Amino acid sequence: DTEVTQTPKHLVMGMTNKKSLKCEQHMGHRAMYWYKQKAKKPPELMFVYSYEKLSINESVPSRFSPECPNSSLLNLHLHALQPEDSALYLCASTMPGDTQYFGPGTRLTVL
Amino acid sequence: AQKVTQAQTEISVVEKEDVTLDCVYETRDTTYYLFWYKQPPSGELVFLIRRNSFDEQNEISGRYSWNFQKSTSSFNFTITASQVVDSAVYFCALSEGYSTLTFGKGTMLLVSP
Repeated sequence: DTEVTQTPKHLVMGMTNKKSLKCEQHMGHRAMYWYKQKAKKPPELMFVYSYEKLSINESVPSRFSPECPNSSLLNLHLHALQPEDSALYLCASTMPGDTQYFGPGTRLTVL
Repeated sequence: AQKVTQAQTEISVVEKEDVTLDCVYETRDTTYYLFWYKQPPSGELVFLIRRNSFDEQNEISGRYSWNFQKSTSSFNFTITASQVVDSAVYFCALSEGYSTLTFGKGTMLLVSP
């Protein structure tokens, strides 16, 4: 089983809203990732958690706040987003050094 | 620094044609991994193959085949007898050891009936 799940599938939010994206995997992977993907572009890495610790933060604005409550769950808290933050947000998981498996993504629209 | 180049932005073929997607990479490491992912319109990135730098054997999986050539730093992907369901964006990616993935810009494949 190589399934990574993400909820919600679609999200529309205003610039003053607070919302969260959720990612879950039950493959025993110990590294989890958030990517942002704009149309016609490759995914851009945002954050990496390794063994529940934040190991990489690619200079992402503080309006994006990741959280890893346990080894199976990864959240991305959103606050005061801008319209240019509208994108597909992908979660991935892996054992360090192994293949990354991606979830189906959350399509976020910021009005 | 690592880099992946997918020079073909978009390819259009008619069903049953064979098509090859090119991928050229740059790395200074001797240990690295190459990947291909498929992204259909639904958005999910689907893992297709992983190759390590010490294994230059070509791989075939059904209608898909991969040609890894270290001499030319290429990892090309061929779809034989393409089908409409193959329409997607295909990403080639590279990682060095435990590093993160570096993606190419992707090639959009459009297969028409």
